[in-house]
Amino acid sequence: EPEVTQTPSHQVTQMGQEVILRCVPISNHLYFYWYRQILGQKVEFLVSFYNNEISEKSEIFDDQFSVERPDGSNFTLKIRSTKLEDSAMYFCASRKLAGVSNEQFFGPGTRLTVL
Amino acid sequence: GDSVTQMEGPVTLSEEAFLTINCTYTATGYPSLFWYVQYPGEGLQLLLKATKADDKGSNKGFEATYRKETTSFHLEKGSVQVSDSAVYFCALSDRTGNQFYFGTGTSLTVIP
Repeated sequence: EPEVTQTPSHQVTQMGQEVILRCVPISNHLYFYWYRQILGQKVEFLVSFYNNEISEKSEIFDDQFSVERPDGSNFTLKIRSTKLEDSAMYFCASRKLAGVSNEQFFGPGTRLTVL
Repeated sequence: GDSVTQMEGPVTLSEEAFLTINCTYTATGYPSLFWYVQYPGEGLQLLLKATKADDKGSNKGFEATYRKETTSFHLEKGSVQVSDSAVYFCALSDRTGNQFYFGTGTSLTVIP
């Protein structure tokens, strides 16, 4: 069964460094998402992406964040200058169709630790 | 704005016990409601969903009914197993279907 994959599973970085989190969505899906979960808190929406552009983003998704679909398979989240408070689990998700009832398929997550 | 409030955990139950995890929501319009499960080391997997009021989602012995009058979507299972140990997330999808709102997750441990 097709699944969303994410790499790396765990990333440790120094404050101020750039990180790129990678995701491979399910191949025939058209909508892509990033979420994050700070330890002990809710899973929070960051951004959605469709047709090679951002369709929605949350207040969390400031200028430090960017997303890209550099080729036909990868979907990346870049954090330009990491802060301690960026430490969280980051989940990628994809969805095939538009519409309220169509669920999003999630990857296993990347745990980002900023020191 | 839209939001989900989920029962705090962790929850520890003996095998074959009855499970309820409470979930209430706030939303404009007519959201869809979901329960996702996360097993250790894995991603969020869809457990069940309901797309309109009074719908009942069910899967693997779990059930949840979309109650508009109480804005709730409580997860239930009549007899839990050790293999049900996981973190359970309640979520709603907004009107566009483009953004999910999650609860904080409830960790369930089932002991033999």
